[in-house]
Amino acid sequence: ELKVEQNPLFLSMQEGKNYTIYCNYSTTSDRLYWYRQDPGKSLESLFVLLSNGAVKQEGRLMASLDTKARLSTLHITAAVHDLSATYFCAGRNYGGSQGNLIFGKGTKLSVKP
Amino acid sequence: EAQVTQNPRYLITVTGKKLTVTCSQNMNHEYMSWYRQDPGLGLRQIYYSMNVEVTDKGDVPEGYKVSRKEKRNFPLILESPSPNQTSLYFCASSPGGPDIQYFGAGTRLSVL
Repeated sequence: ELKVEQNPLFLSMQEGKNYTIYCNYSTTSDRLYWYRQDPGKSLESLFVLLSNGAVKQEGRLMASLDTKARLSTLHITAAVHDLSATYFCAGRNYGGSQGNLIFGKGTKLSVKP
Repeated sequence: EAQVTQNPRYLITVTGKKLTVTCSQNMNHEYMSWYRQDPGLGLRQIYYSMNVEVTDKGDVPEGYKVSRKEKRNFPLILESPSPNQTSLYFCASSPGGPDIQYFGAGTRLSVL
């Protein structure tokens, strides 16, 4: 059974700084997903990482996947206040049906001036 | 406008009174899914559907039912709600499989 662990769970950053959110998963997952949730809002899909070494970037966010290490990272470059949100990663439960997703608990990011 | 619509947005009910939360998408997506979000527990998948008439359990299906009789609709049914089903519920859809999902606005349910 797939388990997904994110860290840190809370992250307070200053504007302009760089930081990385880590997403570890316990068993084989053939793809890894990242989502964003603004405070009090719904979720938005950010990235789908399909294979080892995959890297996707949008704006100040860059996600990567290392299937051998069972690790995905979400790197934030030169943070701005607008990036304050909760970020979730999720893995597809490889041993189960293709539609079953397992989420991490989320990383609440707060970017301060 | 492409969207996933959930109704109602807020619901307060009492233990044991059957309820249905509707979810509808207008994007002709094959995949639909229900999640619940609880503080400290993150998101957990309840049920999902890869296509019409195909549904499968997620991690926390107990106490819930779903049906997918047509592509656009995926209602979540609580036959006998209990207080531990008090939560924030999200419906989502995607073209095929759980890849880029589009989420509804959420339904906040309180069971007293």
